[in-house]
Amino acid sequence: DTGVSQNPRHKITKRGQNVTFRCDPISEHNRLYWYRQTLGQGPEFLTYFQNEAQLEKSRLLSDRFSAERPKGSFSTLEIQRTEQGDSAMYLCASRYSGDIEAFFGQGTRLTVV
Amino acid sequence: AQTVTQSQPEMSVQEAETVTLSCTYDTSESDYYLFWYKQPPSRQMILVIRQEAYKQQNATENRFSVNFQKAAKSFSLKISDSQLGDAAMYFCASLYTGNQFYFGTGTSLTVIP
Repeated sequence: DTGVSQNPRHKITKRGQNVTFRCDPISEHNRLYWYRQTLGQGPEFLTYFQNEAQLEKSRLLSDRFSAERPKGSFSTLEIQRTEQGDSAMYLCASRYSGDIEAFFGQGTRLTVV
Repeated sequence: AQTVTQSQPEMSVQEAETVTLSCTYDTSESDYYLFWYKQPPSRQMILVIRQEAYKQQNATENRFSVNFQKAAKSFSLKISDSQLGDAAMYFCASLYTGNQFYFGTGTSLTVIP
C-alpha cells in the first residue's frame, strides 16, 4: 500500500468552472476526511465519511461543494462554479476507526484564475 | 467550540540544539487525543507524536517528546538534537470522540546549520 493518494496534484481552472478531485485512501481505512488549507493556515475541516456514509459536513462546505464516497473506497470532492476564494490546498486523510492516527495525502492544489 | 492555538508562527533552532513548540487547546470533553503533525515543504503531513488525554505519562518518540499539562490545556513539543530534516511546518491537532481533527495555525521551524 502506497498510502493516501490524491489526484490531480495541481489544478488551475477559470472562475466559474467545475472541478473534481479524487482521493484514494489506504485500503483498510473506513474513515475518510477532506480538509482545506490556505497559505499560512492550518487545515480546516470540510467533511468526513465512515465507509460510504457522509457523517459530518462543515459550514465551510457551501452548496457549491459536494463530496461522495460511493463504494466506501475512493472519494471525490467536486466544486461547482469555482470562485477565487476557493484557491487552496485540498487535503484528504484516512484512518481506521479502531485507531486514532490519520494518514494524509499530498493534497491537490487548486488555483482559480 | 474546540480550538487549538499555536502562538508561535515561526521558530528557529541551531542544528543539534533543542527547541520547544507551544500549543494550547480548549475543550470541555474528557476523552480526547492530541497530536503533532509535521508538514515538510510540498510534502504530505506525517504524524510526529500522539498523546492520549487519559495517560498521565508524556509521550516520547526518539528525539521528540511532549509536555502534556492537562489542567492547563497545554501540549508542547520538544525536539532534541535538532537536525536539518526537522525543518518544516508543525501543526498541533486534537481529536474528540473519534470525529474530526482540529488543527492549529502551525509553526514554521527553521533549522540553522
